[in-house]
Amino acid sequence: DQQVKQNSPSLSVQEGRISILNCDYTNSMFDYFLWYKKYPAEGPTFLISISSIKDKNEDGRFTVFLNKSAKHLSLHIVPSQPGDSAVYFCAASSHAGKSTFGDGTTLTVKP
Amino acid sequence: DTAVSQTPKYLVTQMGNDKSIKCEQNLGHDTMYWYKQDSKKFLKIMFSYNNKELIINETVPNRFSPKSPDKAHLNLHINSLELGDSAVYFCASSQDLGADYEQYFGPGTRLTVT
Repeated sequence: DQQVKQNSPSLSVQEGRISILNCDYTNSMFDYFLWYKKYPAEGPTFLISISSIKDKNEDGRFTVFLNKSAKHLSLHIVPSQPGDSAVYFCAASSHAGKSTFGDGTTLTVKP
Repeated sequence: DTAVSQTPKYLVTQMGNDKSIKCEQNLGHDTMYWYKQDSKKFLKIMFSYNNKELIINETVPNRFSPKSPDKAHLNLHINSLELGDSAVYFCASSQDLGADYEQYFGPGTRLTVT
């Protein structure tokens, strides 16, 4: 039972345009959502998060939107840069502290 | 100055052998984790420890045994290695146990069982 899904395995955008990465979840007990970024041969690094009591969180070029009724969140990157090319993981957590990860979306930003 | 380190980075071994992967964090965090990333790229949690106590133990074969000698270390010992154990294993830490603490990951250990 895959509780966190990233339905797009890959996404390609032009430099300067917007990148939108999507994530869906099934467990309504999740109350905190995080995005991680992963470069090849490195571990994931934390990017941005959002609590279930909010519907938007912004940090520089990165914005995460949460739609609880649809059990859907998205990560917007504007403007996209070639250095943003990486695998992006969505993760959902409950109070027990266990994070459930999606299977990642590979973003390629073309110069 | 590495925050979460793992050794070795690569591990190639034969079926039936016993091996260990070490993890250390210098962030002063209370909670540490082990994840397995299989060929399908899923990151699945295996174990978590908080202040040296086992908190999460997912459905993992008992051939896998974590050991936390202190808060800064969480090692993973694997007995009787099988082909299906081939994967990348990530160690991670967080300030505390809770949904809103981001995790800091090590660089991963690529285990290949032949």
